[in-house]
Amino acid sequence: SQQGEEDPQALSIQEGENATMNCSYKTSINNLQWYRQNSGRGLVHLILIRSNEREKHSGRLRVTLDTSKKSSSLLITASRAADTASYFCAIHGGSNYKLTFGKGTLLTVNP
Amino acid sequence: DVKVTQSSRYLVKRTGEKVFLECVQDMDHENMFWYRQDPGLGLRLIYFSYDVKMKEKGDIPEGYSVSREKKERFSLILESASTNQTSMYLCASSLPQNKPQHFGDGTRLSIL
Repeated sequence: SQQGEEDPQALSIQEGENATMNCSYKTSINNLQWYRQNSGRGLVHLILIRSNEREKHSGRLRVTLDTSKKSSSLLITASRAADTASYFCAIHGGSNYKLTFGKGTLLTVNP
Repeated sequence: DVKVTQSSRYLVKRTGEKVFLECVQDMDHENMFWYRQDPGLGLRLIYFSYDVKMKEKGDIPEGYSVSREKKERFSLILESASTNQTSMYLCASSLPQNKPQHFGDGTRLSIL
């Protein structure tokens, strides 16, 4: 299966701290994407990293990709209560149109 | 901004009913997707469409069908609703070439 698996399943931190979430996968990929989902809402795309890229930044987000270890990490710096959400990695691994989502990490940022 | 609109946020239906979930996007995207999301199982792809009148099965198409008569609209149909189809249903759209997907806010469907 190409499904990404996030780790940890849940993470609770204080405002101002950094949050790191990891994603592992089993097959080769074209790209890997991270999404956020607030409770009861749809998913929102955060960042896309291609298989030939090692690191990308977007505001307080930093994503790394290690294709030799088949893993990616999402770092949120200086977290805020508004960052409380579930975070999903999604794998695009082939020539079709599909993204395969992991089960997500639930991040709680306490004020 | 891309807007993906799902017709209902909450829907309650009875077993055996034919149920229609509608999704409309306003950005002329070629690709559209239907997922269901269940606790502990994450998002699972039901069907997707890469063009008008074109569709492909996802990972869990059994009990569902889809219709895409116009580019902006993608409908999910539960032919004969069953209680195990109680779930959150999410629609998404994207440009081709594996660009990011844009999601609607979901329809929480309960089958009684």
